[in-house]
Amino acid sequence: GQNIDQPTEMTATEGAIVQINCTYQTSGFNGLFWYQQHAGEAPTFLSYNVLDGLEEKGRFSSFLSRSKGYSYLLLKELQMKDSASYLCAVVDSNYQLIWGAGTKLIIKP
Amino acid sequence: DAMVIQNPRYQVTQFGKPVTLSCSQTLNHNVMYWYQQKSSQAPKLLFHYYDKDFNNEADTPDNFQSRRPNTSFCFLDIRSPGLGDAAMYLCATSRDRGSGKDEQYFGPGTRLTVT
Repeated sequence: GQNIDQPTEMTATEGAIVQINCTYQTSGFNGLFWYQQHAGEAPTFLSYNVLDGLEEKGRFSSFLSRSKGYSYLLLKELQMKDSASYLCAVVDSNYQLIWGAGTKLIIKP
Repeated sequence: DAMVIQNPRYQVTQFGKPVTLSCSQTLNHNVMYWYQQKSSQAPKLLFHYYDKDFNNEADTPDNFQSRRPNTSFCFLDIRSPGLGDAAMYLCATSRDRGSGKDEQYFGPGTRLTVT
């Protein structure tokens, strides 16, 4: 079967750095997405990785290791508005998007 | 601004009473998706259309149907809603499929309550 694992919930402090991990076992791999979803709202695109390494985009960075089936999303200089769920999703060999259940990030002042 | 629009944002229906959710897009994307998402769970793909080509997920109940009359619009019909169908329904689009990097653009969702 196909599986995406993420921690259910994390807590961090405003201004700090947090790393959200994602591990996957899928039939094939054609890329990995990170989406942000605020409570009661739709997911919005954050990043896409298909090659190994780190992609930096402002305060957010995403890392991929295909050999380890592992990715992380790094959020720097945390702001209260970063409180949201972060979903990891992998594109499998059939170009289907396999979603994780998301990590709820709670930011405390 | 190009976008994905869903109406209504909140829908209340009675147990067993048919309901239709609508989605429109101004992105001119080829692919449209319907997802069901329950609290703290991953979005669950119900169907997707690649242009007019309809693709039903194997585990999507027969109670759920979909129509895409043209490129811009897509509808989700729930023929006899049960209490277990209460969820957020998300419509999404992507420019294409078969290319991993095509991100999906989501509408704001319709939250369905079944009484």
